[in-house]
Amino acid sequence: GQSLEQPSEVTAVEGAIVQINCTYQTSGFYGLSWYQQHDGGAPTFLSYNALDGLEETGRFSSFLSRSDSYGYLLLQELQMKDSASYFCAVSGAGNKLTFGGGTRVLVKP
Amino acid sequence: GAGVSQSPSNKVTEKGKDVELRCDPISGHTALYWYRQSLGQGLEFLIYFQGNSAPDKSGLPSDRFSAERTGGSVSTLTIQRTQQEDSAVYLCASSLAGTRQTDEQYFGPGTRLTVT
Repeated sequence: GQSLEQPSEVTAVEGAIVQINCTYQTSGFYGLSWYQQHDGGAPTFLSYNALDGLEETGRFSSFLSRSDSYGYLLLQELQMKDSASYFCAVSGAGNKLTFGGGTRVLVKP
Repeated sequence: GAGVSQSPSNKVTEKGKDVELRCDPISGHTALYWYRQSLGQGLEFLIYFQGNSAPDKSGLPSDRFSAERTGGSVSTLTIQRTQQEDSAVYLCASSLAGTRQTDEQYFGPGTRLTVT
């Protein structure tokens, strides 16, 4: 089976940097994805890491260490619109995603 | 282009009734997924369709849940004899090929099911 752990909530001010960690246990692993979900909205894809290292997409970066079963999402230059829930998800056998419980990010002015 | 659409957006039903939830994936996407999300929780995988292959039903919580995908496009999730614990948002997603190189899934807006 699969299990993922991520913090339940993070609070930061505009312009700050936030790192959301995700650790996973899995019987099969192909990659780690991150999704953003605003309240009442649908999850939207942010990033995918299949190999170790850092992937950068604008203000957001994602990191993966397969040997440590660990990844993180880095949110830089936080903006009010970044207030949302962020989910890490593991791609395992069967091409389906197993999601973590989500980290609620609250950005304050 | 059009994204994933789901209907109805909200459904209130009485305990014991059957419900059908519909998903229209993005045109050309061969993979289709159903998830369930309870309030404040993560997404729970239910079922996955890939092309003409047999669906992966490993996430269905009980035999009251079933899904079909007709013509490789529209999918219907059916819940029979609904129970209060079935109350949740049911999300559908589709992806281009369901390959492991990228698992970018495009989600619909969901159907909020309330069982009274």
